[in-house]
Amino acid sequence: GESVGLHLPTLSVQEGDNSIINCAYSNSASDYFIWYKQESGKGPQFIIDIRSNMDKRQGQRVTVLLNKTVKHLSLQIAATQPGDSAVYFCAENAGGTSYGKLTFGQGTILTVHP
Amino acid sequence: NAGVTQTPKFQVLKTGQSMTLQCAQDMNHNSMYWYRQDPGMGLRLIYYSASEGTTDKGEVPNGYNVSRLNKREFSLRLESAAPSQTSVYFCASSDGLAYQETQYFGPGTRLLVL
Repeated sequence: GESVGLHLPTLSVQEGDNSIINCAYSNSASDYFIWYKQESGKGPQFIIDIRSNMDKRQGQRVTVLLNKTVKHLSLQIAATQPGDSAVYFCAENAGGTSYGKLTFGQGTILTVHP
Repeated sequence: NAGVTQTPKFQVLKTGQSMTLQCAQDMNHNSMYWYRQDPGMGLRLIYYSASEGTTDKGEVPNGYNVSRLNKREFSLRLESAAPSQTSVYFCASSDGLAYQETQYFGPGTRLLVL
């Protein structure tokens, strides 16, 4: 999962496997979270979001889980495909005076092997 | 509908030179943002504009200035480029109607300062 540091966490999976990417956040005031996917040479692309009044949200092949007790967020990708290979970022918003401001995690590199 | 566009895609500068990075969005969004992304790190907010006519500093504003030219356009200026400003710069926009909202990103500008 993501952590502060110089080396990007990596996850390698086989095509068809389920992938779980983790993110720890530190601001207990954060109440909105987003997962982004960034392919090489491109800008971040929205995947899914979740508000703090929820603990689970599902999209197409993706599920985000939020555990506010331990300040942990995860992204689950079902039946991972080679096209899912990218860097995945979690981002949080603390609301209030942090209007519109997102704080990004370091990112996790997902590599899907055919 | 092009979303968020950025120019130029690539730029090489010498230390001390100035340049302006351009960003435009066609989604009628109120809020716009400038981020930088350094190797192995997530995105860090430089400046943002919650609405036309307003700008505010983000996490790493030193060495930059911004102009919200109109609702569509938000430019980032480096007055005297330094090697530490070598990075990939991303512009983003969002509705600006609520703080819990998704930001949509442009493709990025890759800047090298020699």
